[in-house]
Amino acid sequence: DAGVTQSPTHLIKTRGQQVTLRCSPKSGHDTVSWYQQALGQGPQFIFQYYEEEERQRGNFPDRFSGHQFPNYSSELNVNALLLGDSALYLCASSLARGLNQPQHFGDGTRLSIL
Amino acid sequence: QQQVKQSPQSLIVQKGGISIINCAYENTAFDYFPWYQQFPGKGPALLIAIRPDVSEKKEGRFTISFNKSAKQFSLHIMDSQPGDSATYFCAASNDYKLSFGAGTTVTVRA
Repeated sequence: DAGVTQSPTHLIKTRGQQVTLRCSPKSGHDTVSWYQQALGQGPQFIFQYYEEEERQRGNFPDRFSGHQFPNYSSELNVNALLLGDSALYLCASSLARGLNQPQHFGDGTRLSIL
Repeated sequence: QQQVKQSPQSLIVQKGGISIINCAYENTAFDYFPWYQQFPGKGPALLIAIRPDVSEKKEGRFTISFNKSAKQFSLHIMDSQPGDSATYFCAASNDYKLSFGAGTTVTVRA
């Protein structure tokens, strides 16, 4: 039973560029959430996707956008990259049915901005 | 602002000892409180979780204590082992999203 998988594992970009990160949820899960984890800090919620729509959004600018596909996989896009966007980007999947279903995390994509 | 405050930032415990991590929250709408364990280079892994209608939950060597009136909850790791050396995050949730504490790095000395 495959868990949450993310790609790529590492990425280096320069300021102003755009990046796309990918996530495949755990088998049977239909909801995907994205988090940003800066070095030495706890993850911060970016947004959540369910039924191919953004269900809730954290305090992140519009440069951060996402998409969910019919197979429940998801992408996170970040435009006009800033040095401060350097972080570990985590994807978590869960079941929509029932409140507060456990969220299971992937190992993340380490994004470095030069 | 951080919605969940976690302490201590780090702790060192001898093998076989007890590790205690504390968290506090303000938002009374939170209704689910998980703890995650994270090793370097890995994503957070769900360890144990509790809902506010329960005061204590135990799974193996890990116990959550929950004080609803004080808006505090804590993780106790009994009989700490070197393999428990990791960063631990408390979190709180309502309406789908998780709000995390800043993390506690636990080092278990053999």
